[in-house]
Amino acid sequence: QKEVEQNSGPLSVPEGAIASLNCTYSDRGSQSFFWYRQYSGKSPELIMFIYSNGDKEDGRFTAQLNKASQYVSLLIRDSQPSDSATYLCAVRKSGGSYIPTFGRGTSLIVHP
Amino acid sequence: SAVISQKPSRDICQRGTSLTIQCQVDSQVTMMFWYRQQPGQSLTLIATANQGSEATYESGFVIDKFPISRPNLTFSTLTVSNMSPEDSSIYLCSVDHSGVGTEAFFGQGTRLTVV
Repeated sequence: QKEVEQNSGPLSVPEGAIASLNCTYSDRGSQSFFWYRQYSGKSPELIMFIYSNGDKEDGRFTAQLNKASQYVSLLIRDSQPSDSATYLCAVRKSGGSYIPTFGRGTSLIVHP
Repeated sequence: SAVISQKPSRDICQRGTSLTIQCQVDSQVTMMFWYRQQPGQSLTLIATANQGSEATYESGFVIDKFPISRPNLTFSTLTVSNMSPEDSSIYLCSVDHSGVGTEAFFGQGTRLTVV
């Protein structure tokens, strides 16, 4: 089992819809969870992080964390074509290491 | 957030040669990392660049192949030595500005093609 798993996609949604991106992780003691957006040919850009169970909202983005089920998700409301990118989930495990482990990313395509 | 300048942004190199990638941060940071991202893959950590001491390498990566320097808290280099086509990849410098793992920022990346 991979440490951080994401469906590679592509996930295709129409403009204005809600895009839902999911990520599961194997280390039950993981503490910090991050979502990065990576446009083609560019480096990853941090868009959200979450530490506690529940929802965290920032503009059109909502991160959801469920530690009992070991998954974290990212919702993008009112999706725009400019949201088309690969979304990377990263998890910082327990044990004192500050280095996050990245999933392979989900490709999102928002079509007009 | 930290501003990270990485160069070169891309290069095409002959097999058997070496390339040094530079990473400059606009402020002192505790932790600097080097990642590799192969086409269609996620980021793989190569090593943690430690200031004043030898880098800490992840499994599968060795100092002879990927020597790293970190002379101060704002600068690091990664050298890809004796390159082969399998080294063609994007190499990314990353910093943890907070020093406590709350978030990480990336340089622009170096797209390396070995021919």
